[in-house]
Amino acid sequence: DAKTTQPPSMDCAEGRAANLPCNHSTISGNEYVYWYRQIHSQGPQYIIHGLKNNETNEMASLIITEDRKSSTLILPHATLRDTAVYYCIGRGARQLTFGSGTQLTVLP
Amino acid sequence: ETGVTQSPTHLIKTRGQQVTLRCSSQSGHNTVSWYQQALGQGPQFIFQYYREEENGRGNFPPRFSGLQFPNYSSELNVNALELDDSALYLCASSSGQVRSTDTQYFGPGTRLTVL
Repeated sequence: DAKTTQPPSMDCAEGRAANLPCNHSTISGNEYVYWYRQIHSQGPQYIIHGLKNNETNEMASLIITEDRKSSTLILPHATLRDTAVYYCIGRGARQLTFGSGTQLTVLP
Repeated sequence: ETGVTQSPTHLIKTRGQQVTLRCSSQSGHNTVSWYQQALGQGPQFIFQYYREEENGRGNFPPRFSGLQFPNYSSELNVNALELDDSALYLCASSSGQVRSTDTQYFGPGTRLTVL
């Protein structure tokens, strides 16, 4: 799996968009970018994944740069319940390889 | 449709004992992966089972073993427990085998404490 780099922490005001960056400069052509989040001591929750094109679902949007070396997860209207550790994973194998993630804190 | 469930929620064991953790897959899923998450770290892959056979293993010793049953539920067994085995154990289910697009869905985890 590709190595990913994420900022250790970010803050976001409630109601504003949260933009979480991820660098995956070594990602290969057949590796997907996956995003999960983990609220304290719970199991990771799947958010979204993509290969080349931008993706959107009911939870978030994923923007992948054209060279695929980085991506941004966008939570359009962050709420307090979005406070969690967010993991970006470049997945090419059967397992998910988690890094340290970004601790997103949504502030009231 | 039921999600992934795990039992027990919490467990306390002493060093040297053996433990069995259980996982029920999400409906329609035939693949189960197990992960260990130590405090303050991201989950680490232990192994994966597909159709009752081990289908890949991470960097864990043989005292970590597993089973998958015909209904695709799974067990994780850990023998000769060590203090460092204290962690949150996560089970994730998915459909298919090894394709990158097989999204894994996690259960709530079992918190194991080894004293």
